[in-house]
Amino acid sequence: NAGVTQTPKFRILKIGQSMTLQCTQDMNHNYMYWYRQDPGMGLKLIYYSVGAGITDKGEVPNGYNVSRSTTEDFPLRLELAAPSQTSVYFCASRPRLAGDNEQFFGPGTRLTVL
Amino acid sequence: AQSVAQPEDQVNVAEGNPLTVKCTYSVSGNPYLFWYVQYPNRGLQFLLKYITGDNLVKGSYGFEAEFNKSQTSFHLKKPSALVSDSALYFCAVSLRDFGNEKLTFGTGTRLTIIP
Repeated sequence: NAGVTQTPKFRILKIGQSMTLQCTQDMNHNYMYWYRQDPGMGLKLIYYSVGAGITDKGEVPNGYNVSRSTTEDFPLRLELAAPSQTSVYFCASRPRLAGDNEQFFGPGTRLTVL
Repeated sequence: AQSVAQPEDQVNVAEGNPLTVKCTYSVSGNPYLFWYVQYPNRGLQFLLKYITGDNLVKGSYGFEAEFNKSQTSFHLKKPSALVSDSALYFCAVSLRDFGNEKLTFGTGTRLTIIP
């Protein structure tokens, strides 16, 4: 199993541009998550999904959108990039069992908005 | 609301000495508690978790953590530090609410093991 994969690894955007961060998992996990990591701030939950066709907002959803058309994929969309969205983005997944199961993280996407 | 505090941004330990990385939590109910480690330019890796039962939890790479309900703490420990343990460590809490669990992370503690 490849686990959780994310593309691209790095990206530089100009203000106002849009892009999609891709996330794919091959573990048949129902739950998927998007986090952003800012220096000294830990990880903040952006959006999450409990299964295909179901998404919900996390702690910091403004400026982002998600979709979940398949179990495997959970892309994150930035429509109008702003400098405040400069961050490292992590996707994670876990199986649909009791909440004690740990999350599996992808390697991250480092995004810079100039 | 649930929250996690990691009071130390940086912990330095000499190689071979015991190490402790502190974590306290706040949650209205019974918690699930986790420790994750992050190496440079990598995603988070799971180390260990507390669900229920024995308060001393053992995990990967010789790490362990002790759940203390009265002090609402979940400190990470290792008896003898290795240089390879140098990394960023995150504590996380989740409320036991089947179908609605979301992790709340602390701000992280950078552990440096000095040779």
